[in-house]
Amino acid sequence: EAGVTQFPSHSVIEKGQTVTLRCDPISGHDNLYWYRRVMGKEIKFLLHFVKESKQDESGMPNNRFLAERTGGTYSTLKVQPAELEDSGVYFCASSQLAGGFTGELFFGEGSRLTVL
Amino acid sequence: DAKTTQPTSMDCAEGRAANLPCNHSTISGNEYVYWYRQIHSQGPQYIIHGLKNNETNEMASLIITEDRKSSTLILPHATLRDTAVYYCIVFLAGGSARQLTFGSGTQLTVLP
Repeated sequence: EAGVTQFPSHSVIEKGQTVTLRCDPISGHDNLYWYRRVMGKEIKFLLHFVKESKQDESGMPNNRFLAERTGGTYSTLKVQPAELEDSGVYFCASSQLAGGFTGELFFGEGSRLTVL
Repeated sequence: DAKTTQPTSMDCAEGRAANLPCNHSTISGNEYVYWYRQIHSQGPQYIIHGLKNNETNEMASLIITEDRKSSTLILPHATLRDTAVYYCIVFLAGGSARQLTFGSGTQLTVLP
């Protein structure tokens, strides 16, 4: 069974440019989450989708970040325009919906974003 | 305020048991203890969780003290591939994803 996959694994962009990160959750997982670790900091929650709906986006840092999950399958996280402080690793995770949120998440390998 | 306290780093000899402690003295009755780990350059990996009773799975054992104020993750026969940062997380049953806070964790280094 395929795990959570993320693309690209590494992206290097100039300040002010746009980057779109993609996450494909495990098949059948209705819950999809985005987390990130910016340099030297801890892993922080960004947002949570249940199917195509945003359940919680309280962790999104500002309106330069836009997450979508059209059709309830894969998700994209767009950063526009990117700033230097956005550099870090963006993790996607998924879990099944049944039984509600249990804290047992399956994470992808992460997408490393470097803003120059 | 941090809900958990873990040592910054630990070493363990390959083949020996690795015992990773975690203090969570303010844990409430319906909060679970979760353990994740992050091997370098990979995403976090769920290991185990528990509420009151000790738990064991194919990866590890979780020992929770009777007062629930601390716990220990045990990797019974550590291998070099177990070198990682281990996170102890206190999480409210039925809570939300934003409550899964990873903290600084313990860097476990398994030595050959």
